[in-house]
Amino acid sequence: AQSVSQHNHHVILSEAASLELGCNYSYGGTVNLFWYVQYPGQHLQLLLKYFSGDPLVKGIKGFEAEFIKSKFSFNLRKPSVQWSDTAEYFCAVLGGSQGNLIFGKGTKLSVKP
Amino acid sequence: SQTIHQWPATLVQPVGSPLSLECTVEGTSNPNLYWYRQAAGRGLQLLFYSVGIGQISSEVPQNLSASRPQDRQFILSSKKLLLSDSGFYLCAWTPSLTGSTDTQYFGPGTRLTVL
Repeated sequence: AQSVSQHNHHVILSEAASLELGCNYSYGGTVNLFWYVQYPGQHLQLLLKYFSGDPLVKGIKGFEAEFIKSKFSFNLRKPSVQWSDTAEYFCAVLGGSQGNLIFGKGTKLSVKP
Repeated sequence: SQTIHQWPATLVQPVGSPLSLECTVEGTSNPNLYWYRQAAGRGLQLLFYSVGIGQISSEVPQNLSASRPQDRQFILSSKKLLLSDSGFYLCAWTPSLTGSTDTQYFGPGTRLTVL
């Protein structure tokens, strides 16, 4: 069965630092990959998604992710984080038996002003 | 535009009490609906899935049940809550006819604490 691993439970950065959050999925072949973000007190929101084509995907708020098929990875990046990026980030793959998303455990990002 | 509502936002219930969480979607017809749970330190786990009124699929055996009495209403229930039912419950929807590349849209969630 498909599974998703997020390597970091909690990441603490200072403003302007670069960010990379790791995500690996277990099953090869065609995959649809997502990053969701949950800001404090807000809904889970879609940050970006990859279905096919250019493996470098750009999302909202300056985030991007790169799909590397050979590494089964879909890492999230941002060159310079802001305090407002403090949130929990979830990587997910579309692969459940019911067409549902399979999520990683999430990475909490804290950005110090 | 489509919106998804969940209530209540937070709930504190004693062990053994019943539960009813509601999710409604506006602005779309015949959505696929999902209930997920996020327990402390764990990722989001699919609990139930529905493709239409009265059609419920369960992913994991548990103390919970789901119902879909109307097209855009999805209810999560329990007759007797357990401590392990504590968590953050999220409802999500997708369009029903657009194949496997659907983005799931999430509600605001319900924080349930069972004491």
